[in-house]
Amino acid sequence: EVQLVESGGRLVQPGGSLRLSCAASGFTFSMYWMTWVRQAPGKGLEWVANIKHDGSVAYYGDSVKGRFTVSRDNAKKSLFLQMNSLRADDTAVYYCTRDGKWELLGAFDVWGQGTMVTVSS
Amino acid sequence: QSVLTQPPSASGTPGQRVTISCSGTSSNIGSHTVNWYQQLPGTAPKLLIYDNNQRPSGVPDRFSGSKSGTSASLAISGLQSEDETDYYCGAWDDSLNGPVFGGGTKLTVL
Repeated sequence: EVQLVESGGRLVQPGGSLRLSCAASGFTFSMYWMTWVRQAPGKGLEWVANIKHDGSVAYYGDSVKGRFTVSRDNAKKSLFLQMNSLRADDTAVYYCTRDGKWELLGAFDVWGQGTMVTVSS
Repeated sequence: QSVLTQPPSASGTPGQRVTISCSGTSSNIGSHTVNWYQQLPGTAPKLLIYDNNQRPSGVPDRFSGSKSGTSASLAISGLQSEDETDYYCGAWDDSLNGPVFGGGTKLTVL
């Protein structure tokens, strides 16, 4: 079964850091672009970052650029999101998603269950 | 403020056909294919339509998508109570160099 499972979300103070993880299974992880998408409580979807299948290229949304870093370990079939200088408006459910095979499509056919990040003092 | 524009709500009665619109610009919908996602309460979004009008395996053919110019639509025919949930459109945006989404439409089955 194709599956993505996120972990690492918790309550963190403003200015703090957090590292999210996503474990992939059921498909050849190293062939796919991967994307983080977030959803603030009661709000819509927002692209956070994506990373090429080999980890050589990554792109970021304007609201997180310079603060967040996406990375991956293909040997461990894992995706990561390092989040620094966290702000209250980063509070959201963070979803790990599968993007295109070999190419960046911006279409997400597999989603994890999400992990909640709350930034508050 | 979402880059793509969707009506916040839509409604229909069981068996009816409803459509949900998604409006963009030349830098997103006008240049790229549109995808639609369905999000049931408390769950992750699910890909419903990709490449404007393609259904992933397992999605009923009651769901269909179309695109014209800088706008797209999701149509649901034979509306069922289980269709009552949130729907989001998405597309690549050349200006932002990333995917963008609509604000979502809450569909109510009366």
